[in-house]
Amino acid sequence: AQRVTQPEKLLSVFKGAPVELKCNYSYSGSPELFWYVQYSRQRLQLLLRHISRESIKGFTADLNKGETSFHLKKPFAQEEDSAMYYCALSGAAGNKLTFGGGTRVLVKP
Amino acid sequence: EAGVTQSPTHLIKTRGQQATLRCSPISGHTSVYWYQQALGLGLQFLLWYDEGEERNRGNFPPRFSGRQFPNYSSELNVNALELEDSALYLCASSLMRDTEAFFGQGTRLTVV
Repeated sequence: AQRVTQPEKLLSVFKGAPVELKCNYSYSGSPELFWYVQYSRQRLQLLLRHISRESIKGFTADLNKGETSFHLKKPFAQEEDSAMYYCALSGAAGNKLTFGGGTRVLVKP
Repeated sequence: EAGVTQSPTHLIKTRGQQATLRCSPISGHTSVYWYQQALGLGLQFLLWYDEGEERNRGNFPPRFSGRQFPNYSSELNVNALELEDSALYLCASSLMRDTEAFFGQGTRLTVV
């Protein structure tokens, strides 16, 4: 079975502070990991995926297979980063995405 | 390029009725996925269709069903509605061999 856990439901940080969203997964094979973001009144959209190894909007995420984690980080949070963030996993079972419960990020001025 | 479109945006039904939700994928995408986002339960995978066939199914009862049409659009049908079916239903599409999914705005189903 595949499972994704996001332990924090809410993260509140000040503008300019670092932010780290935790994501742990459970999957017996080689997973593909994603971070999706949902800004207020907008649709869910892909932020980044581990195979691309990109930095999007200053965010990075490293897949740690030993710790089965895919934490999302940004060194200097901006107010526009306030959103709901979902970690997701795609395994071999038919391309479906298994989502974590989501973390709401609030960046205060 | 038009994104994934879902209709209706809101739907109110009474318990025991049937609901039909519709989804049009991005042009060229053959895979359509349905997810349920119920309050407090997060995003739960419902169904995956590709090339007109059901490819995978989440842990939902048989009264949740759907289909994919030759133009790759899709319908989700929920029979014998229950109060706990009230949720935001999201549709997503992707190219068959690319797991990046693009989401629609969702249909908010309320069962009263």
